[in-house]
Amino acid sequence: AQKVTQAQTEISVVEKEDVTLDCVYETRDTTYYLFWYKQPPSGELVFLIRRNSFDEQNEISGRYSWNFQKSTSSFNFTITASQVVDSAVYFCALRLSFVFGPGTRLSVLP
Amino acid sequence: DSGVTQTPKHLITATGQRVTLRCSPRSGDLSVYWYQQSLDQGLQFLIQYYNGEERAKGNILERFSAQQFPDLHSELNLSSLELGDSALYFCASSVQGVDTQYFGPGTRLTVL
Repeated sequence: AQKVTQAQTEISVVEKEDVTLDCVYETRDTTYYLFWYKQPPSGELVFLIRRNSFDEQNEISGRYSWNFQKSTSSFNFTITASQVVDSAVYFCALRLSFVFGPGTRLSVLP
Repeated sequence: DSGVTQTPKHLITATGQRVTLRCSPRSGDLSVYWYQQSLDQGLQFLIQYYNGEERAKGNILERFSAQQFPDLHSELNLSSLELGDSALYFCASSVQGVDTQYFGPGTRLTVL
């Protein structure tokens, strides 16, 4: 069975704090793909990152970084020096199936 | 702007009615996906089309159907609507099946 767990339903931080969003996945596929999407209050789903199962390199993009660990089936997302504009619901997703986690609502307070 | 367009943006209708949601994929994308987002079910995959052919099916009700046309746009038809069908319906597209999906802005359906 394919499953994505985002245990943190809601997180509130104060601007400039670092925050990590957790994602744990379950799959029996040997090749799979993991994604993070952001859904701001306006409602659209914005693609952030894709990671292939055979590529365990961590990635940094500006204030965003991702830590992929196959050994623990986790693909965590860290925002450094958070800003109010980061307030959104963040979804972790798993392919080859089409499974999205329940999302984590992040509120960044000024 | 992802390049995926969806119309209409909002739709209000009554129970028992039928509606059609439309999606135009990004230029060059052959695959189209439909998702339903509701408060209690989260983001649920409904169906995928690739170059006009149905490729994968998720939790799509029998009252719902979709198709992808030769120009690659897609339509999702929802019939015999129930209150519980009220949701945000997203279309996404990708070049091929396992490529990154880019989402449209969604159609918010309200069934009264």
